[in-house]
Amino acid sequence: DIQMTQSPSSLSASVGDRVTITCRASQGIRNDVNWYQHKPGKAPKRLIFSASGLQSGVPSRFSGSGSGTEFTLTITSLQPEDFATYFCLQHNSYPTWTFGQGTKVEIK
Amino acid sequence: QVQLVQSGAEVKKPGASVKVSCKASGYTLTDFVMHWVRQAPGQRLEWMGWIDADKGNTKYSQRFQGRVTITRDTSAGTAYMELSSLTSEDTAVYYCSRGIIGDYWGLGTLVTVSS
Repeated sequence: DIQMTQSPSSLSASVGDRVTITCRASQGIRNDVNWYQHKPGKAPKRLIFSASGLQSGVPSRFSGSGSGTEFTLTITSLQPEDFATYFCLQHNSYPTWTFGQGTKVEIK
Repeated sequence: QVQLVQSGAEVKKPGASVKVSCKASGYTLTDFVMHWVRQAPGQRLEWMGWIDADKGNTKYSQRFQGRVTITRDTSAGTAYMELSSLTSEDTAVYYCSRGIIGDYWGLGTLVTVSS
């Protein structure tokens, strides 16, 4: 099974900060990774597909990069509405998915 | 707009079964596959299984094989996930998610297993 290791598990940041979250896959998975934002009581929202594709309607301060085994979600200039939990999903082993453990972004 | 409308929270006793529904809104159920995922308290999301909503084919995680059944009612535009022989470790939020790579998700359904 493909394992996804996400780091950090949580971080504190201020509005305007640059934030980077990483997912590492246990084996090469091409660019078969999505990134999601999840707020309590809401449905997870896809931000990035295929490692670097920006979902329509998502602000351009969100970006994704990587391929193979290492993937990064970057938020440039963190906004108040960005405080949430973020997770990665790999679908290389389709139809099986595996997930990173999530990163909670909190206000410093 | 696309929405996945899930059924409400459930409380079950150990050994019971639960059936969670996921109604497709804003698109035709059979145009996409549907995944089921859960998140237990303090744990990461965990994939449970998948249904090809057109053909009805399913695939399940080995962890849940024999306990989970995913079905769909095309006339109702709804997918279902049934989990049997519940234990306290099945207490979790259960989500449905559309498509090969999960573009839309439901709000989740809290299932609490308690005696």
